[in-house]
Amino acid sequence: AQTVTQSQPEMSVQEAETVTLSCTYDTSESDYYLFWYKQPPSRQMILVIRQEAYKQQNATENRFSVNFQKAAKSFSLKISDSQLGDAAMYFCAVRNNAGNMLTFGGGTRLMVKP
Amino acid sequence: DAGVTQSPTHLIKTRGQQVTLRCSPKSGHDTVSWYQQALGQGPQFIFQYYEEEERQRGNFPDRFSGHQFPNYSSELNVNALLLGDSALYLCASSYLAERSTDTQYFGPGTRLTVL
Repeated sequence: AQTVTQSQPEMSVQEAETVTLSCTYDTSESDYYLFWYKQPPSRQMILVIRQEAYKQQNATENRFSVNFQKAAKSFSLKISDSQLGDAAMYFCAVRNNAGNMLTFGGGTRLMVKP
Repeated sequence: DAGVTQSPTHLIKTRGQQVTLRCSPKSGHDTVSWYQQALGQGPQFIFQYYEEEERQRGNFPDRFSGHQFPNYSSELNVNALLLGDSALYLCASSYLAERSTDTQYFGPGTRLTVL
């Protein structure tokens, strides 16, 4: 079984500043994948970034980057130069290589102040 | 390139009724997964369909059933609706052959309200 924990129900950041969202997970698999999804009020889940557990290099996508600590089972998301459009619910998820089931955390609501 | 589509957008039913939700996958995708997202929570995996068969199932009762058609579209059926079935139902599609690198793309969801 896999579990994902997001300990920050809400976070707030000033526009143009940097914010980090935390995520810890537990899995017995040695090969797995980690994801951050964004869910704006429109409800559609949008992929932000993904990380393969076998890769030591942290993934980056424009203003979004991760800090992947495999031994600590930690997968945090850093958003640089925050924009008003970044305001949304952010979900961390894990998937093992054998299946295709995503296990999600409870989410973090990010608010961006102008 | 059309993304994942779901219908209807909203649905209101009463306890004991049955409901059918529909999903069309992203072009080129062959696998459909369904998730239930209760208000204020993360999505929970219901099941996944590939080659018209249920490939994997989460911890949901048999009242939840599904189907995948030859064109890869899918239906989620829920029988004997309970108040607790009120949720956002999300469909996600992916390409199984690229399982090691695939990404699940989500539709906009169907909001089900059970009265």
